[in-house]
Amino acid sequence: QSALTQPASVSGSPGQSITISCTGTSSDVGGYNYVSWYQQHPGKAPKLMIYEVSNRPSGVSNRFSGSKSGNTASLTISGLQAEDEADYYCSSYTSSSTRVFGTGTKVTVL
Amino acid sequence: QVQLVQSGAEVKKPGASVKVSCKASGYTFTSYYMHWVRQAPGQGLEWMGIINPSGGSTSYAQKFQGRVTMTRDTSTSTVYMELSSLRSEDTAVYYCAREPTTVTTLDYWGQGTLVTVSS
Repeated sequence: QSALTQPASVSGSPGQSITISCTGTSSDVGGYNYVSWYQQHPGKAPKLMIYEVSNRPSGVSNRFSGSKSGNTASLTISGLQAEDEADYYCSSYTSSSTRVFGTGTKVTVL
Repeated sequence: QVQLVQSGAEVKKPGASVKVSCKASGYTFTSYYMHWVRQAPGQGLEWMGIINPSGGSTSYAQKFQGRVTMTRDTSTSTVYMELSSLRSEDTAVYYCAREPTTVTTLDYWGQGTLVTVSS
């Protein structure tokens, strides 16, 4: 199972919106609405930000939103803040009943 | 509150095995699946496998088949991940993470356990 493809880095100024893509195949991202997004600050465990494509867990800011089209899922962060600077990973359920993560994206707030 | 507390850092020699524990509290242990995910230094997240604490059934990533064993102890609400035939490439932080049975995601994560494989 190959990792899902994410851009290595995305940057934006405070207040701007950025979008991170996550491209898979019809056997994972495209086949199921089971895409999650995780935020990871250096030295910390990942934190769930979005589940099942577009759902936000309680306590996660509504500046984070998710969507999917075909084999590509996206995470949008609006009103970018300094605290959003972190690594972001997508993940998907697969046709083999396993899970696969994305390659990861480093978000930089300029 | 939900907590997943993992065992401490380990240093192992190549060819040895390591067993990492993850003690759950704050919820009904047998009502949630548990996953193991690892992260090599400076690298991304890698899914290793899943265990159902209720019956003990497991499913492993093909990459780790034959080398990983996930078990649980319901009396102590603890899951274990044992990785054998260690090599330097297994040096990583290993995380346990909970999955609700009603939602396909990992909603709580342990703090991570660093396993270093070095001669």
